[in-house]
Amino acid sequence: EIVLTQSPGTLSLSPGERATLSCRASQTLTSAYLAWYQQKPGQAPRLLIIGASSRARGIPDRFSGGGSGTDFTLTISRLEPEDFAVYYCQHYDSSWTFGQGTKVEI
Amino acid sequence: EAQLVQSGAEVKKPGESLKISCTGSGYIFDNFWIAWVRQIPGKGLEWMGNIYPGDSDTIYSPSFQGQVTISVDRSASTAFLQWSGLKASDTAIYYCAKRDGTVFDPWGQGTLVTVSS
Repeated sequence: EIVLTQSPGTLSLSPGERATLSCRASQTLTSAYLAWYQQKPGQAPRLLIIGASSRARGIPDRFSGGGSGTDFTLTISRLEPEDFAVYYCQHYDSSWTFGQGTKVEI
Repeated sequence: EAQLVQSGAEVKKPGESLKISCTGSGYIFDNFWIAWVRQIPGKGLEWMGNIYPGDSDTIYSPSFQGQVTISVDRSASTAFLQWSGLKASDTAIYYCAKRDGTVFDPWGQGTLVTVSS
């Protein structure tokens, strides 16, 4: 079973700063099956990134994904107030696994 | 635009049964898997299982196999998640989501299930 470990647990930043979130896998992943979601308090998750690096429809270009193998990143180039949320990576390999999340806070 | 609307919050006692729903609109419901995901308050996301409305094919996460039942009513474009004997540990928010390839998009608004004596 693949385990996804996200770091850091919490990222304390200010609007306008750059955020870099990590998702590390216990074994090599198929990049095409790596996704990122954003969850704001009291809301359902929202799909951000598919295939490790492609933005979902309607996602601003300040969000970017990258990586391969066992190490993947989500980067928010300049944080907007609405970007403060919890971010999850997810992988599919005959079942779906989520990382434990990274909280981006002010 | 695809949309999933879930049934409202529930408060139940241990041992009671429960069936929550997820109704799809804005797309061909039969043609896309529906996923169920659990989120214990303050915790992360756990995939529970999927159902394909077209033929009711269902797959469960090993962690939830035998603990819940996923079903569908094609005529109502609605998927269901049910328990026959709730436990306090089932207290959580349950989300449904449309599976699009290997990702979940969009998600329903979530149903809070509280199990307490």
